[in-house]
Amino acid sequence: GQQVMQIPQYQHVQEGEDFTTYCNSSTTLSNIQWYKQRPGGHPVFLIQLVKSGEVKKQKRLTFQFGEAKKNSSLHITATQTTDVGTYFCAELNYGQNFVFGPGTRLSVLP
Amino acid sequence: SQTIHQWPATLVQPVGSPLSLECTVEGTSNPNLYWYRQAAGRGLQLLFYSVGIGQISSEVPQNLSASRPQDRQFILSSKKLLLSDSGFYLCAWNYAVSEKLFFGSGTQLSVL
Repeated sequence: GQQVMQIPQYQHVQEGEDFTTYCNSSTTLSNIQWYKQRPGGHPVFLIQLVKSGEVKKQKRLTFQFGEAKKNSSLHITATQTTDVGTYFCAELNYGQNFVFGPGTRLSVLP
Repeated sequence: SQTIHQWPATLVQPVGSPLSLECTVEGTSNPNLYWYRQAAGRGLQLLFYSVGIGQISSEVPQNLSASRPQDRQFILSSKKLLLSDSGFYLCAWNYAVSEKLFFGSGTQLSVL
């Protein structure tokens, strides 16, 4: 099946610094979703991207879909302690279900 | 509004014992239902998904099974648990396969 790669695995930042996680696929994606999982919690949907080159913003979060639809990124500006958690990308697997990347665990030091 | 219930929240079971985890969705009909497993500090592995009553697709061959006896009920079972079955089990649903997933609060299973 399809495999999704995500980097970095871990990221430690000082509060106020920016953060970016990248999601890469070996195949062209029909769409991609991003989720956030707080420590001890369950994944919560953040955004879905479907168009080549698409950019969406949610307050301090900026999501981007690559022109070739093989990669995506999530950028957080001026991180806060509430941003702590693991960020997952997920790609639609042959139109049947979503395959999740391994996630990027973000720690924010106050 | 739609809600998803998953129980129990935590479970400690001995090796070789049976397992039954239940998930129900309220406020919608004919949802797609999913079971994911998450090892400690790792990503989500899709175990089973269902697009309708009695329709189960398995993604990973193992000693687990799933059933969907009712439209909004999804059950994960095992006849004999293995140590490697330990993990965080998450039930999820969506309206259509390409739509966002709504996750339950999860069951932390420890097999000892």
